[in-house]
Amino acid sequence: AQSVTQPDIHITVSEGASLELRCNYSYGATPYLFWYVQSPGQGLQLLLKYFSGDTLVQGIKGFEAEFKRSQSSFNLRKPSVHWSDAAEYFCAVASTGGGNKLTFGTGTQLKVEL
Amino acid sequence: NAGVTQTPKFQVLKTGQSMTLQCAQDMNHNSMYWYRQDPGMGLRLIYYSASEGTTDKGEVPNGYNVSRLNKREFSLRLESAAPSQTSVYFCASRKTGTSGGTYEQYFGPGTRLTVT
Repeated sequence: AQSVTQPDIHITVSEGASLELRCNYSYGATPYLFWYVQSPGQGLQLLLKYFSGDTLVQGIKGFEAEFKRSQSSFNLRKPSVHWSDAAEYFCAVASTGGGNKLTFGTGTQLKVEL
Repeated sequence: NAGVTQTPKFQVLKTGQSMTLQCAQDMNHNSMYWYRQDPGMGLRLIYYSASEGTTDKGEVPNGYNVSRLNKREFSLRLESAAPSQTSVYFCASRKTGTSGGTYEQYFGPGTRLTVT
């Protein structure tokens, strides 16, 4: 069965500092990977996705993620964090059959200090 | 273009009461999903509908039923609410098909349900 691990429950960074959120996945075939962001009281917004090809993918709001098959990782990065980036971030992997269900990690709560 | 809409936004039920959560999408997507979100557990799939006329169980289906009313609408029903069903419920949809189908899902704003 597929699974996603986000080892950091909470992360605090200073505004302007760089950010890396970790995600490890378990999936038998080529994974389809996603990062979503959830602001307080809101739904989930897609930040970026990886299906195939270039292992460094760019997303919205200045985020990027790198797929590393050898490490089963898909870490999210941003060079300079803004206070408005404070939110909860979810990594997810999609199955390629059976309804193409998404399996989510438990999320990382990002706090930005001014 | 509203995307995925959910009603109601908030609801308080007493144990044993029933209710239906409504979801609609205007993106002409074939697949629709219901998730629940609980602190520290991420999102877990309750039921999904791969296409109009079909529904299947997800990871946590007990205590819920669903109806895919038409291509646009997918409702979630709690027949006899329990405190363990206190959660935030999200509906999502996905474009499928041989011409431009994708794997990403688009989410509604959620329904916050409290069962006392």
